[in-house]
Amino acid sequence: DAGITQSPRHKVTETGTPVTLRCHQTENHRYMYWYRQDPGHGLRLIHYSYGVKDTDKGEVSDGYSVSRSKTEDFLLTLESATSSQTSVYFCAISESIGGLETQYFGPGTRLLVL
Amino acid sequence: DAKTTQPPSMDCAEGRAANLPCNHSTISGNEYVYWYRQIHSQGPQYIIHGLKNNETNEMASLIITEDRKSSTLILPHATLRDTAVYYCIVNQMGNQFYFGTGTSLTVIP
Repeated sequence: DAGITQSPRHKVTETGTPVTLRCHQTENHRYMYWYRQDPGHGLRLIHYSYGVKDTDKGEVSDGYSVSRSKTEDFLLTLESATSSQTSVYFCAISESIGGLETQYFGPGTRLLVL
Repeated sequence: DAKTTQPPSMDCAEGRAANLPCNHSTISGNEYVYWYRQIHSQGPQYIIHGLKNNETNEMASLIITEDRKSSTLILPHATLRDTAVYYCIVNQMGNQFYFGTGTSLTVIP
C-alpha cells in the first residue's frame, strides 16, 4: 500500500465551512497527488506536489488549496465547502519502478457537503 | 484528456481468462501503457505497465500490438475478487495520469 494513509476517512460537513483532508506517507516519496472521483468522471487530478513547498494545479483545482510543509504530509483544503465538492478524495504518491514513475493510491476519504 | 478508449463493461466466467481491450491510437513513442484497477470503494491499484514488449507479472499479462495503437490486459484465471473497474492509461514519464471511466469487469460464478 506504499505506506499511505488518509484522514479522516469519512466526513460530513455543511456548505460554507472549511475542510482539511490529510494525506500521510511514510516512505519519503517526493511526488504526492490529490484526486477526486465522481460518478461518470473517473479520477480527476486536483493538485500535486513535487517537493516540500512545491505544488502545482491539476485539472480541477478551483475551490481547493494545498500545502506541503514536510515531506510526509500533503494537505488538501476546501476553504468554503460547496455541495459540488461532495466526492471521494484519493491521495497518491509516485514511486520509481525501473526508472519509471508509477502511482500508488491511499484508501480514500468520503466527503459529504450538505 | 484520457487518450484511451475502453468498453464500459464486460463479463467473464469465473476461472476463465478475462481479456480487457484498450485503444490508444494516438500514443506517442515515449508513452507507456499502464493498467490500474479499482475494487469498489477502494483506491486504484497498480497492475502492470509496458512500452512495446509484452509484459507479465503475478497479477496479469499485458499484450501490446506491434503498432502500439491498442493493448489487451489478460487476467488468466479470473476470480470473483477480480470484479472491479479497470483503467487503461497512457502516460509519458513526468506527466499527469489521466484516468478515464474504465471498464467495469464482472466475474460471474
